[in-house]
Amino acid sequence: QMQLQESGPGLVKSSQTLSLTCTVSGDSMNSGGFYWSWIRQPAGKGLEYIGRIDNSGNTNYNPSLRSRVTISLDTSMNQFSLELTSTTAADTAIYYCATWKVPASPGRSFHIWGQGTMVTVSS
Amino acid sequence: IQMTQSPSSLSASIGDRVTISCRPSQAIGNHVGWYQQKPGKAPKLLIYETSTLESGVSSRFSGSRSGTDFTLSISSLQPEDFATYYCLQDFHDYTFGQGTKLEIK
Repeated sequence: QMQLQESGPGLVKSSQTLSLTCTVSGDSMNSGGFYWSWIRQPAGKGLEYIGRIDNSGNTNYNPSLRSRVTISLDTSMNQFSLELTSTTAADTAIYYCATWKVPASPGRSFHIWGQGTMVTVSS
Repeated sequence: IQMTQSPSSLSASIGDRVTISCRPSQAIGNHVGWYQQKPGKAPKLLIYETSTLESGVSSRFSGSRSGTDFTLSISSLQPEDFATYYCLQDFHDYTFGQGTKLEIK
């Protein structure tokens, strides 16, 4: 059973770049087609899709974050990563990585989740 | 695409049946999933393709569509069902509803 684990700094200074890594275990990232994604959740609030990357390196980003987001893939390390530039306090949230096998049934995205990691952006 | 979820909170008793709704801002076919999130945990997929139960999920959960509205129903509420629920559309990009917090009355 595939498992995901987020890692990275829990504190980022405002205006700097937030960088997180999601490590995949239990199966190879190359064992079929997958979408590898990031979602975030500010404390006490709802879920926001950040973006995804597929095994070919094709990306899709939330239009509201597109200018600041980069998601990349390193299948040799069984990892994918998130970079979010020009951070502000509004980027303070729990960041989750999630994945699903494609093609997926409608509505069956974000099938497998990491446990999440809290990132605080401080001034 | 926006997903308008209602109600934002709901109080119910053990054994009750409850329903939560989501209305998309445009047509999305059957591209709807429902997730359950407990405090301090990642969301868990319950239902996809509007009404298909994810493997291992209790049959007390069901999904349906009426017109443009999508509904999650939970029958015979159990203590472990008190959580926050989110709908998701993945017809065009990905949008979650605002969430419904289900609390014990």
